Parts: sequence; structure tokens; C-alpha cells
Amino acid sequence: GAVVSQHPSWVICKSGTSVKIECRSLDFQATTMFWYRQFPKQSLMLMATSNEGSKATYEQGVEKDKFLINHASLTLSTLTVTSAHPEDSSFYICSAAGTGESLYNSPLHFGNGTRLTVT
Amino acid sequence: SQKIEQNSEALNIQEGKTATLTCNYTNYSPAYLQWYRQDPGRGPVFLLLIRENEKEKRKERLKVTFDTTLKQSLFHITASQPADSATYLCALVPSYNTDKLIFGTGTRLQVFP
Repeated sequence: GAVVSQHPSWVICKSGTSVKIECRSLDFQATTMFWYRQFPKQSLMLMATSNEGSKATYEQGVEKDKFLINHASLTLSTLTVTSAHPEDSSFYICSAAGTGESLYNSPLHFGNGTRLTVT
Repeated sequence: SQKIEQNSEALNIQEGKTATLTCNYTNYSPAYLQWYRQDPGRGPVFLLLIRENEKEKRKERLKVTFDTTLKQSLFHITASQPADSATYLCALVPSYNTDKLIFGTGTRLQVFP
């Protein structure tokens, strides 16, 4: 149980274009989803917290107009990288906590990430 | 500043030995600490959660300790196997009034036969 599916697993796009990444909870409902970014040989950096039916909360230094997050249902959150540039190339990973679960006593369930390469 | 630090250098050990990984945090007062395993090109997988009032937690060959005075957690893998080779991440919830998980820098473990 607690499977998170992320799509696509990799994408190559040209500079200036936009890319959408989907994150789905397959067998549970997720009120809250989290988007992380990971550069090579570095740890996961939290970008934003996505709440179903409301605006996402972005971490300091993350441009909300560049990284658009939509959490329209209890099983789907999307991250759109707008006007992508080579420096946006990274590994993007989503995660979800089940509805009613708190990080104080429950783990996060992670997708397998999306490798974005901007040329 | 707030930091979560793990051994930056890769840890190389021989199969059958016990691997010990360290997680130190600064300027946090977490009530809970979690450990995850991450394989290359994959998302992290949850391993163990330990609460501040628990000194030690075990699961099969895994053991985690949590010392809030030292601000440190230790993660042990006994009877290590080559299949245990991966990056191990510690993570914590920064404070009682937040619900997000912040990750440490991670330690790469390599178990050789």
C-alpha cells in the first residue's frame, strides 16, 4: 500500500518551454503533497507544500511563478516548471502524506522522481 | 543557522560488519526523527521513525538511537550485506507547529563482499 506514482520519470526540454510533472497517490488519499528537488550528490530540498483545494506554500527562495503547483484532487498534484532554463535541470521528487496522517508519527511516501534536463 | 549534517564522506565497510551512520542537527528541537534509504535515481523509502522519548528503535537488522541532549541520531545496520549499499537520509520535522520534513545531507554506504 501507500504507492505514489510520478510521471514522467524523465524529460528533456528546450530552454524557454514549460514542463508539467504529475504526482498521483494510487491507493490512498493525500491531503498534502510535498515537492522536493535534488541536485547531484546533494540532499532533498523542500520546494513547496501542496494542499488539496488551496494554494501551495513555497519555501523561502523558491519562485512560485516559476514552479506552479496545482493540487486539484486528493490523489493528484502537478508541478509545472515554466520557462525552463538549464539551471532548472534537476531531479524532482514528490511525496505524500495520507489524509489524517501527521509527519509526527507517519512516514512520507515518495514517488520515484522525475529527471528534468533543460537544453 | 539550522542544519542537519550527516557523514559527508562515503562509508565503505565489509559484508557482515555493522555500519553506523551519524545524523547531527543544529538549532532544531524535533520531536521525531526519521530515516530513509535512497537508491540512485529513485525516491527515498522510509525505514524507521523514532520519537524524542524513545532512546532506541529496532527493526530487523536496523537500529536507531536518538539523543536529544547531544542532538544526534545514530543509525546502525548489523550483519551488513551488499544489498544494503545505498544513500541513507535522516529527516526531521523542524518543530511542533510545522508539518513538513527536512532532510539531512545523506551518507552513501557501500558494503563490499
